[in-house]
Amino acid sequence: GQSLEQPSEVTAVEGAIVQINCTYQTSGFYGLSWYQQHDGGAPTFLSYNALDGLEETGRFSSFLSRSDSYGYLLLQELQMKDSASYFCAVRDPGGGYQKVTFGTGTKLQVIP
Amino acid sequence: KAGVTQTPRYLIKTRGQQVTLSCSPISGHRSVSWYQQTPGQGLQFLFEYFSETQRNKGNFPGRFSGRQFSNSRSEMNVSTLELGDSALYLCASTRGGGENTEAFFGQGTRLTVV
Repeated sequence: GQSLEQPSEVTAVEGAIVQINCTYQTSGFYGLSWYQQHDGGAPTFLSYNALDGLEETGRFSSFLSRSDSYGYLLLQELQMKDSASYFCAVRDPGGGYQKVTFGTGTKLQVIP
Repeated sequence: KAGVTQTPRYLIKTRGQQVTLSCSPISGHRSVSWYQQTPGQGLQFLFEYFSETQRNKGNFPGRFSGRQFSNSRSEMNVSTLELGDSALYLCASTRGGGENTEAFFGQGTRLTVV
């Protein structure tokens, strides 16, 4: 089966840097995605890693190590609006193209 | 372009009833996936449709079913509702090709079973 583990909650100070980790166990693996979801909103795509290494998109970066089945999302220069839940998600073959398993999410609270 | 549209946004049903939820994907997207989101279980995959065919199915009982129409719009149905079916139901659309990396989610339908 598939499982993804993330910390349930993280608190960080405005302007600081925070790292949200994700470890996964899946029967197959195409890549690791990250999504952001504000309370009452829809998840929105942040980043995708198919290969090992760091992907940078503005203040957000995502890292993947396939050998360690591990990835993380790095948020820099935290802003209050970054308070949200963050989900990692693994794409695996699952008999089709779009079987995506999500982690249980990390609730990030940014404080002044 | 218009995003993913889910209707209705809110729904209250009684145990034992059945419900149908609708999802209109982004124009040109052929794949629609459905997820159930609850506070304790996170986002759980229900099923995925591509070109009117179910390609993948999650671990949900047969009371949960879906279909996709030729215009890529999708519906999911839950029969014999149980209290535990109360959740936010999200659909996500992608183009459907083999290298999809980004799913676009709708705002969801919040179902409350009483």
